[in-house]
Amino acid sequence: AQTVTQSQPEMSVQEAETVTLSCTYDTSENNYYLFWYKQPPSRQMILVIRQEAYKQQNATENRFSVNFQKAAKSFSLKISDSQLGDTAMYFCAFMKGGGSNYKLTFGKGTLLTVNP
Amino acid sequence: NAGVTQTPKFQVLKTGQSMTLQCAQDMNHEYMSWYRQDPGMGLRLIHYSVGAGITDQGEVPNGYNVSRSTTEDFPLRLLSAAPSQTSVYFCASRLREGTEAFFGQGTRLTVV
Repeated sequence: AQTVTQSQPEMSVQEAETVTLSCTYDTSENNYYLFWYKQPPSRQMILVIRQEAYKQQNATENRFSVNFQKAAKSFSLKISDSQLGDTAMYFCAFMKGGGSNYKLTFGKGTLLTVNP
Repeated sequence: NAGVTQTPKFQVLKTGQSMTLQCAQDMNHEYMSWYRQDPGMGLRLIHYSVGAGITDQGEVPNGYNVSRSTTEDFPLRLLSAAPSQTSVYFCASRLREGTEAFFGQGTRLTVV
């Protein structure tokens, strides 16, 4: 079974600074997908970024980028130029590829607070 | 385009009562699933469906039933509510392998 570990239950950062959220996972699969989801106080789950394991290039979406280290099974999220609206719970998630990939396995989350 | 719609947003039940959480999507997605979110636990899969007429259990299925009679709808039934089922419930859908899962806005359920 796959497991996802987010070792930082809470983090804080000053507005306009950069912060990195950690995520490690354990799997024996070679084909899989990794995701970061954001959950603001509204409770809505919003996709931040997605990475396909067979792609070596790290995914980026505007101020959000990942450092994907497949051998180390690490998938950290970097947020540049942090904004107050980035305050949210962030979840790292794993999805197996190749067939019955019904399941997203989530980490326990990191609560990020951006301070003015 | 409504996406994934969950109702109700909030619900209080007494122990032993039953209820159905509704989930509907208008994106013609084959994959649908139900998760529960508890503090410090992340989201855990309850049940899932890979198409109309096909459902299966996830990590924490006990006390819940599902059915999928149409592509659009995937209701979650609580058979006899227990305080341990107090949680926030999310319905999600996605198109195919590896694609983004779209989530409903969640249902906060309290069982007293």
